[in-house]
Amino acid sequence: GEQVEQLPSILRVQEGSSASINCTYENSASNYFPWYKQEPGENPKLIIDIRSNMERKQTQGLIVLLDKKAKRFSLHITDTQPGDSAMYFCAASSSSGSWQLIFGSGTQLTVMP
Amino acid sequence: GGIITQTPKFLIGQEGQKLTLKCQQNFNHDTMYWYRQDSGKGLRLIYYSITENDLQKGDLSEGYDASREKKSSFSLTVTSAQKNEMAVFLCASSSRDTQYFGPGTRLLVL
Repeated sequence: GEQVEQLPSILRVQEGSSASINCTYENSASNYFPWYKQEPGENPKLIIDIRSNMERKQTQGLIVLLDKKAKRFSLHITDTQPGDSAMYFCAASSSSGSWQLIFGSGTQLTVMP
Repeated sequence: GGIITQTPKFLIGQEGQKLTLKCQQNFNHDTMYWYRQDSGKGLRLIYYSITENDLQKGDLSEGYDASREKKSSFSLTVTSAQKNEMAVFLCASSSRDTQYFGPGTRLLVL
């Protein structure tokens, strides 16, 4: 089936620096790309998303970039804080429709004080 | 706003047992989903449903059944629990492409 590759799987950064997570997808028909943050023992929560009619979206210290030609999208967390430590998942809409999402395997981000 | 509730929160079963997990949403969303998440890993789709009484298989449907009894509820059955199985089952719902997740059911099979 369709896959979304997410890298890196583990990311450690110093507080105040930026963190970047990259995802690639297979199907050029994918048009919706959400990012979820999951803290230990909690459910995944949507933090930002981007649709295929945009190349860049920014909200509250989060930037998402989408390169449709390369079938690549990325999340950039600026000025990281210890509270940003969590598992992050990217996803891409599936070509099979019915609002299916294909999830990446996750990035465990640790922000060190 | 709305919420998604999943019951039970924790489920301990025996090998070979049939186990049922329930999910309710009050978003009035059409589509509901069941995912399995293994420790430290991504989400894999088991079943989804685009409307009441509809059922669609995901990549991981083998070993599971599901039922969309009404628009607001979607249940998942583990048909025969596997020994030492440990995973979190997440329910989600969406009106279009944005999915919202419930708190999860943590399964442990002894």
